[in-house]
Amino acid sequence: AQKITQTQPGMFVQEKEAVTLDCTYDTSDQSYGLFWYKQPSSGEMIFLIYQGSYDEQNATEGRYSLNFQKARKSANLVISASQLGDSAMYFCAMRERFSGGSNYKLTFGKGTLLTVNP
Amino acid sequence: GAVVSQHPSWVICKSGTSVKIECRSLDFQATTMFWYRQFPKQSLMLMATSNEGSKATYEQGVEKDKFLINHASLTLSTLTVTSAHPEDSSFYICSASVIYTQYFGPGTRLTVL
Repeated sequence: AQKITQTQPGMFVQEKEAVTLDCTYDTSDQSYGLFWYKQPSSGEMIFLIYQGSYDEQNATEGRYSLNFQKARKSANLVISASQLGDSAMYFCAMRERFSGGSNYKLTFGKGTLLTVNP
Repeated sequence: GAVVSQHPSWVICKSGTSVKIECRSLDFQATTMFWYRQFPKQSLMLMATSNEGSKATYEQGVEKDKFLINHASLTLSTLTVTSAHPEDSSFYICSASVIYTQYFGPGTRLTVL
């Protein structure tokens, strides 16, 4: 079963506008973490923002904010004031524990390709 | 901070040869490093988890003898693709964890002819 679901294969936004990228997750753990990464065409994975399952406030990092709705198991990324350089692939990921172990691993969604139009 | 480098950034090799990819944490020590593979227009798939001084833990379906992982120090992990074939052509990305956040290297694009 897919643990991270990103339902938007592609999104378009006008420069300077805000955009929301959707992410839902599935886990039975009480303690988990949710991440958003940006992957430009160069291929590098850039860490954007993190939300812990026990964090009561939504995470924010500059123009990025994470709309965390625990009961709905959603962790949407909001990018405000979009810039042309925001055009990239965006991945939502969940930190989960290895079965039977103490290490953690990341499980990624399929990604959303964001295009910012001038 | 939390910079991860990979070398080489791209490599082309002949079928049947072996290729080694290095992953280094430049400004921190990483007890755990991860290796991912990404095919075009797809997501990252975890191949293995590498812990310093111990054997790597491979994901189901990943051939241990084909993808050799060594984590000899707290700042270096290597992935060796042995007897590479065209189907191994892919983008390989490593990451190193700081507490719970993974920081990624720039990736290595492998093309096997």
